[in-house]
Amino acid sequence: EAQVTQNPRYLITVTGKKLTVTCSQNMNHEYMSWYRQDPGLGLRQIYYSMNVEVTDKGDVPEGYKVSRKEKRNFPLILESPSPNQTSLYFCASSFWPPSAYTREDTQYFGPGTRLTVL
Amino acid sequence: AQSVTQPDIHITVSEGASLELRCNYSYGATPYLFWYVQSPGQGLQLLLKYFSGDTLVQGIKGFEAEFKRSQSSFNLRKPSVHWSDAAEYFCAVGSSNTGKLIFGQGTTLQVKP
Repeated sequence: EAQVTQNPRYLITVTGKKLTVTCSQNMNHEYMSWYRQDPGLGLRQIYYSMNVEVTDKGDVPEGYKVSRKEKRNFPLILESPSPNQTSLYFCASSFWPPSAYTREDTQYFGPGTRLTVL
Repeated sequence: AQSVTQPDIHITVSEGASLELRCNYSYGATPYLFWYVQSPGQGLQLLLKYFSGDTLVQGIKGFEAEFKRSQSSFNLRKPSVHWSDAAEYFCAVGSSNTGKLIFGQGTTLQVKP
């Protein structure tokens, strides 16, 4: 089954304690991305990656790091979490480049990770 | 700069009534446009997308959307709403250069019995 998985699904942590949220896809997608969702703000892109070892900042990258050492994995790292990073996080993947956006292609989203930083 | 505006934060319709959710975008080139739905506690599911060609796009669950370049709009419609359609709906515009998606703020749909 084609899917994007995220772990953990729920996490409560304290300010300053480093954490990693994992994301994995089994569709051989080149493109992967992280978003955060906050009430009234929709989804905002944090980082994205167009292929292995290629990453770039989205709209809200401050306080986050990513890496893309393998095609299937795209972990999100919070080196020193703060309460303003409390949010719902989504990982997504799709084929690349966008010319491959055929009717069969889409951006698949993971189930989300709800993070609370105290 | 790219942007997406969903003017209606919350909409309530009666079951069986028609629905139109508004989406306006700002994008310098030909946009890739999407509508996603998010049920409570769930991830996002793609309803439909527009890349080129026919400006009236059919999606899943009986939804359709019409791309109007002159109005910079991509409104979502459904002729008869079901109670299971209650959810949050997001419009998004995609970049052909970066694969980046810009989302609107979302519209919450409530369906009255």
